[in-house]
Amino acid sequence: ELKVEQNPLFLSMQEGKNYTIYCNYSTTSDRLYWYRQDPGKSLESLFVLLSNGAVKQEGRLMASLDTKARLSTLHITAAVHDLSATYFCAVDETSGSRLTFGEGTQLTVNP
Amino acid sequence: ETGVTQSPTHLIKTRGQQVTLRCSSQSGHNTVSWYQQALGQGPQFIFQYYREEENGRGNFPPRFSGLQFPNYSSELNVNALELDDSALYLCASSLRAGLPYEQYFGPGTRLTVT
Repeated sequence: ELKVEQNPLFLSMQEGKNYTIYCNYSTTSDRLYWYRQDPGKSLESLFVLLSNGAVKQEGRLMASLDTKARLSTLHITAAVHDLSATYFCAVDETSGSRLTFGEGTQLTVNP
Repeated sequence: ETGVTQSPTHLIKTRGQQVTLRCSSQSGHNTVSWYQQALGQGPQFIFQYYREEENGRGNFPPRFSGLQFPNYSSELNVNALELDDSALYLCASSLRAGLPYEQYFGPGTRLTVT
């Protein structure tokens, strides 16, 4: 059974600081997704990573995928309050059949 | 292009009752997946429908059932509701053919079972 683990689960950081969220998974897959969820809302797609070594950047967020290490990272640069949300990684091990999500990382950016 | 829509937005039911949730897929998408998200947890896969057939099921009992219609919209039915069924139910649509199989999520239905 595929396991997806994120750490940390809770992250409180100051504006302007950098930090990385880690996503480890237990089976071979080259399809990994990052989503953002605001309280009471649905999931917003952030990044789609489809191959080993894939790196994508959007604003202050950058995601990467290392399929050999079964690890993806979401790096936050110079955090701002608007980035406060819960971030989920999800792995697709069956080519579009189902996503297995991590537990989520609840990020709070303090002024 | 119309995004994924779900109805109703919120629903309150009593234990033992039955509920039907609805989802309209994004224009051009032929696959719908349903997820259950309990408070403070990541979404869990319930099942997926592709061209009106069930195409994969997660670890949910048979009282969770679904349908997909010729226009690719979908229903999730839950019988004999239990308190633990209280959750946000998300549907996601995708275009199965080709990469990247990205799933686009609807706004969700918040189900409360009392």
